[in-house]
Amino acid sequence: QSVLTQPPSVSGTPGQRVSISCSGGGSNIGSNSVHWYQQLPGTAPKPLIYNNNQRPSGVPDRFSAFKSGISASLAISVLQSEDEADYYCAAWDGALNNWVFGGGTKLTAL
Amino acid sequence: QVQLVESGGGVVQPGGSLRLSCTTSGFTFSNYAMHWVRQAPGKGLEWVTFVRFDGTNEQYADSVKGRFTISRDDSENTLYLQMNSLRAEDTAVYYCAKESSGGFIPGSYFDYWGQGTLVTVSS
Repeated sequence: QSVLTQPPSVSGTPGQRVSISCSGGGSNIGSNSVHWYQQLPGTAPKPLIYNNNQRPSGVPDRFSAFKSGISASLAISVLQSEDEADYYCAAWDGALNNWVFGGGTKLTAL
Repeated sequence: QVQLVESGGGVVQPGGSLRLSCTTSGFTFSNYAMHWVRQAPGKGLEWVTFVRFDGTNEQYADSVKGRFTISRDDSENTLYLQMNSLRAEDTAVYYCAKESSGGFIPGSYFDYWGQGTLVTVSS
């Protein structure tokens, strides 16, 4: 069981808006930044969103995220077929003294 | 450009040992914290261990504490993971990841990842 909880799968049609939730607790999301990673099939993860809502250079602006309390959410405003990937949220957990990941969400473009 | 290249993976029997390396380039290695993150086949990401930029602090996941040791050689720009007493559940692709800061800085994250090296623990 992952410390951060994500839905196992999400799907949408190209052009649609989709979102992925990430739920945690006071010692992780509640008191630290949330980061999101994208893992395309057969590749290493790469940063998608850092510090709750910041996009690294090169990440399209159709990706956005926000954090509220002990939950966070990643949104893709206009889904594209190349967005099919696994998405992970992550945060530092001050009680565990560990980085913790969500279990990952597989995004399918129908 | 920043590059992280892992090596040292392979097949090892339960109870055996293996040392992974992560050779880096394109940034000042000694200024940044470094991590190992693993991914079991068909599973999600699991953080394994971290070493602060100056080597003064290490953290380990409970699942590997007492068996794995992280170290760094700043003269060689290389990160290591010594894995002892390996178990079947340690089978995974092991990624090294660079942190965006020296360590314990609020808001820092894993900004670069290697391509991973596969460790298989099996008799």
